[in-house]
Amino acid sequence: NAGVTQTPKFQVLKTGQSMTLQCAQDMNHNSMYWYRQDPGMGLRLIYYSASEGTTDKGEVPNGYNVSRLNKREFSLRLESAAPSQTSVYFCASSEMTGGLNEQFFGPGTRLTVL
Amino acid sequence: QKEVEQDPGPLSVPEGAIVSLNCTYSNSAFQYFMWYRQYSRKGPELLMYTYSSGNKEDGRFTAQVDKSSKYISLFIRDSQPSDSATYLCAMRGGGSEKLVFGKGTKLTVNP
Repeated sequence: NAGVTQTPKFQVLKTGQSMTLQCAQDMNHNSMYWYRQDPGMGLRLIYYSASEGTTDKGEVPNGYNVSRLNKREFSLRLESAAPSQTSVYFCASSEMTGGLNEQFFGPGTRLTVL
Repeated sequence: QKEVEQDPGPLSVPEGAIVSLNCTYSNSAFQYFMWYRQYSRKGPELLMYTYSSGNKEDGRFTAQVDKSSKYISLFIRDSQPSDSATYLCAMRGGGSEKLVFGKGTKLTVNP
């Protein structure tokens, strides 16, 4: 099992460009998440999806859109990138099992917006 | 006041030391408490998990939760250079799937 995979691993954009970050999981989990991690700020939730066909905003959703394409895939789109969106982006998935909601993380995408 | 507070460090200790990492929180609805470990340029991985108050031990690692003080701790005994990583506390309420993370504490264990 590959777990959670993310593409691309690295990306450099110019201000105003758009891009989509891809995430896929092979653990048959219902819930999927997108976080950003910035120095001194920890992990902040951008969007999450509790099941296929549903999405909800997290703590920092402005400037982002998401699509839960199917149970496996959850993409994050930046329509018009800004330097403030320079960050490391992590996708995660989970399934509630006996109260534990262990989130499994992907390796991350390092995004720089110039 | 943020829901979860964690001293970002950095923390540097010699090999073999006992390490104490801590988080405080303000939301009394939190019931599930977790510690994630994140190696450099990797995604976080679950290290320890505790429900409600009490202690949990797993090898050299002990997690403690004191709900009356809204304080959680992770102890690492006989620390090793391979323990060098960022440790993030995370917690959630019983009715929510979403985790609230601390900022993480960067730990370096020197040989």
